[in-house]
Amino acid sequence: DSGVTQTPKHLITATGQRVTLRCSPRSGDLSVYWYQQSLDQGLQFLIQYYNGEERAKGNILERFSAQQFPDLHSELNLSSLELGDSALYFCASSVAGGRGAYGYTFGSGTRLTVV
Amino acid sequence: DAKTTQPTSMDCAEGRAANLPCNHSTISGNEYVYWYRQIHSQGPQYIIHGLKNNETNEMASLIITEDRKSSTLILPHATLRDTAVYYCIVSSASNAGGTSYGKLTFGQGTILTVHP
Repeated sequence: DSGVTQTPKHLITATGQRVTLRCSPRSGDLSVYWYQQSLDQGLQFLIQYYNGEERAKGNILERFSAQQFPDLHSELNLSSLELGDSALYFCASSVAGGRGAYGYTFGSGTRLTVV
Repeated sequence: DAKTTQPTSMDCAEGRAANLPCNHSTISGNEYVYWYRQIHSQGPQYIIHGLKNNETNEMASLIITEDRKSSTLILPHATLRDTAVYYCIVSSASNAGGTSYGKLTFGQGTILTVHP
């Protein structure tokens, strides 16, 4: 158990639907990062939040959005789902204070299948 | 962040040392070299990182050349459980007002297969 909790572990939904993925960071970590991993794209950075504020944005589609709540858990919302959105979605958290990337801890991921 | 180049795949016999190379010729002075691995669709796992000195921990050793343009991750006694995709990542560590920057940019990595 890495300390980063992602739910659900598996999700199957139809095209056009909307889903929410949830991430609870490791205790004490203020930053949350979301990554998408599909077979043909590898691990792609989507977005970072730090203490409730958006800090960095990667190749995140407009149909996707995220937020970090006061209790520091984060949610990734995916809407108008397409077949190509099928992927593993990982959340990572890092220690506060800018200690660099080595402090990143990943969750076990949510496998999204769009049918 | 600087780009890295790694071999697509490597093999290693169980019990032998696995040496995984990484080229990062455009690395800048404030960028660290990080290694992560991903075992079969699990979340990536931190292994080790370094700036310019060689580093060792309980998992591996990291050798960085003097010009910092390349590095080697060494797993001293590979086991079957070390079979994974190994990612070499170059990233700056910055601390601007207490925030934590330095997102990880993953390449394709090296698929390491450890054989019995």
